[in-house]
Amino acid sequence: DTGVSQNPRHKITKRGQNVTFRCDPISEHNRLYWYRQTLGQGPEFLTYFQNEAQLEKSRLLSDRFSAERPKGSFSTLEIQRTEQGDSAMYLCASSPTWTYGYTFGSGTRLTVV
Amino acid sequence: DAKTTQPNSMESNEEEPVHLPCNHSTISGTDYIHWYRQLPSQGPEYVIHGLTSNVNNRMASLAIAEDRKSSTLILHRATLRDAAVYYCILINTGNQFYFGTGTSLTVIP
Repeated sequence: DTGVSQNPRHKITKRGQNVTFRCDPISEHNRLYWYRQTLGQGPEFLTYFQNEAQLEKSRLLSDRFSAERPKGSFSTLEIQRTEQGDSAMYLCASSPTWTYGYTFGSGTRLTVV
Repeated sequence: DAKTTQPNSMESNEEEPVHLPCNHSTISGTDYIHWYRQLPSQGPEYVIHGLTSNVNNRMASLAIAEDRKSSTLILHRATLRDAAVYYCILINTGNQFYFGTGTSLTVIP
């Protein structure tokens, strides 16, 4: 197992387009998180899944954002009608349980032009 | 989740020990103390975590105050590769957890 994998690494899109990112967590990890990070700031929590159930959503996750984890394995984060303010690094993390450490992926850098 | 307070930046000479402090005065009894570090353009990397007792691993040591209101991450011998932003985070149930702005560590050759 090579850790948490995120694809694509970079995405440039025009304002108003939809984008989708994928996260493949470590296989035995049932907890999966999405974070967003802008330059100079710490990562901000977006949402959390335990297996296929989305248990927490941040107020940052507006109606344009949706996340899924259909079979409790990989997860997707979709942003509809992208805006320039959506430009950020989107990070995924996974863990087997909350008492363990969390493994982060390398992130997907989104640039909205 | 309870919040943490860290200095914005610290400097260390290469090959010397580094002590990175974190205050968490509102910590609850079931909050785990986690440390992560982040290099530019990379995701955060797990360093160490603990609940009450001091912890050691191959990367670092975590010293937790007896009242648990503060902790210190100890890098025993700083290298240039340790230059990063270090985040101290409290995690309870793990349904969501929050990063602050962290401590930016500069290692001087």
